[in-house]
Amino acid sequence: DAGVTQSPTHLIKTRGQQVTLRCSPKSGHDTVSWYQQALGQGPQFIFQYYEEEERQRGNFPDRFSGHQFPNYSSELNVNALLLGDSALYLCASSLRTSGMTDTQYFGPGTRLTVL
Amino acid sequence: AQSVTQPDIHITVSEGASLELRCNYSYGATPYLFWYVQSPGQGLQLLLKYFSGDTLVQGIKGFEAEFKRSQSSFNLRKPSVHWSDAAEYFCAVGAEDSNYQLIWGAGTKLIIKP
Repeated sequence: DAGVTQSPTHLIKTRGQQVTLRCSPKSGHDTVSWYQQALGQGPQFIFQYYEEEERQRGNFPDRFSGHQFPNYSSELNVNALLLGDSALYLCASSLRTSGMTDTQYFGPGTRLTVL
Repeated sequence: AQSVTQPDIHITVSEGASLELRCNYSYGATPYLFWYVQSPGQGLQLLLKYFSGDTLVQGIKGFEAEFKRSQSSFNLRKPSVHWSDAAEYFCAVGAEDSNYQLIWGAGTKLIIKP
């Protein structure tokens, strides 16, 4: 049973560019959440997708957008990259049940470096 | 607003010694509490979680945590650490009235001395 997979593993971009990160959830999961983890910090919630719609959003600007496909996989898009966007981007999948009882399973992350 | 504090940025423990990692949270009601571990190149892995009931929670890899409401704490413990426990440990809190979004501590890096 494949766990959560993310691609690419590493990415280098320059300021102002756009980037797309991809996530495939664990088999049987229907909900995908994205987190940003800056160096030396804990993850910060970006947004969550369920049934191909953004259901919750953290405190991130509109430059951060996403998409969920019918097969539950997801993309995170970041436009107009800033140096401060350099971070590890984590994808987590879960099965939508009631509230917090569903455990999130995390992928290994995509390391984005903005120069 | 909810917050999570992990007071220790780094902790060094000898192999075979006991371990306690501290986590304090700020929240009015009883939150949902989690401990995750992150190894280099690996995703975050859930060690244990507390929702309600028995305040001593058993997790994977021999870890346990105790919820103490009076101290707003959820400290992680292990009686005897192994070199493979070297990693970064994160405490996180979620709550119903914040749509269960997880708020994370900054993490504690565990270093194991041989």
